[in-house]
Amino acid sequence: AQTVTQSQPEMSVQEAETVTLSCTYDTSESDYYLFWYKQPPSRQMILVIRQEAYKQQNATENRFSVNFQKAAKSFSLKISDSQLGDAAMYFCAYRTPASGSRLTFGEGTQLTVNP
Amino acid sequence: GAGVSQTPSNKVTEKGKYVELRCDPISGHTALYWYRQSLGQGPEFLIYFQGTGAADDSGLPNDRFFAVRPEGSVSTLKIQRTERGDSAVYLCASSLTYGAENYGYTFGSGTRLTVV
Repeated sequence: AQTVTQSQPEMSVQEAETVTLSCTYDTSESDYYLFWYKQPPSRQMILVIRQEAYKQQNATENRFSVNFQKAAKSFSLKISDSQLGDAAMYFCAYRTPASGSRLTFGEGTQLTVNP
Repeated sequence: GAGVSQTPSNKVTEKGKYVELRCDPISGHTALYWYRQSLGQGPEFLIYFQGTGAADDSGLPNDRFFAVRPEGSVSTLKIQRTERGDSAVYLCASSLTYGAENYGYTFGSGTRLTVV
């Protein structure tokens, strides 16, 4: 079965500091898409960043960047200059052509940002 | 609409009752998805619509769950004979068309269903 593992149920960071959230996944396919979603208490899942597996360059979106290690099947999220508004549940997910349109999500990491 | 709208926001029902959860996707989005998120878990896929048809319903847990999208826009998730284990947040998402999900979906805020 295809799986996503987020080994850190909870993480905390001081405001303005940097934090890295871990994610590993398991697929036998070579072509797939990886995502990080943020879920605040409002429950709405918000796309933070995405990565195409065929691209070697790590994706960046402002303060958010990823460390994509394809051979290790690792896809970590780095948040720089953490802000209070970054506090939320973060989910790693991926989609493969074999899975159709479905996303497979990890169990999430609860991020707390301390002032 | 500007975003994906789900109603009701919260629903409490008694065990054995029938419930309907509604999703209004972004205007023009042909692809629509339902996910279920149990407490402390990530979302799990239920069903995917492309237009009016269910292109993939392999995630529906059993025949008590059914979803429709008769006009290719609004979708309704229907749960018969609800059980306490059905308690979860039901999330709806949409994307412009098949393939656009590679760029991520737009999710709604979900319906929290509580079966007592």
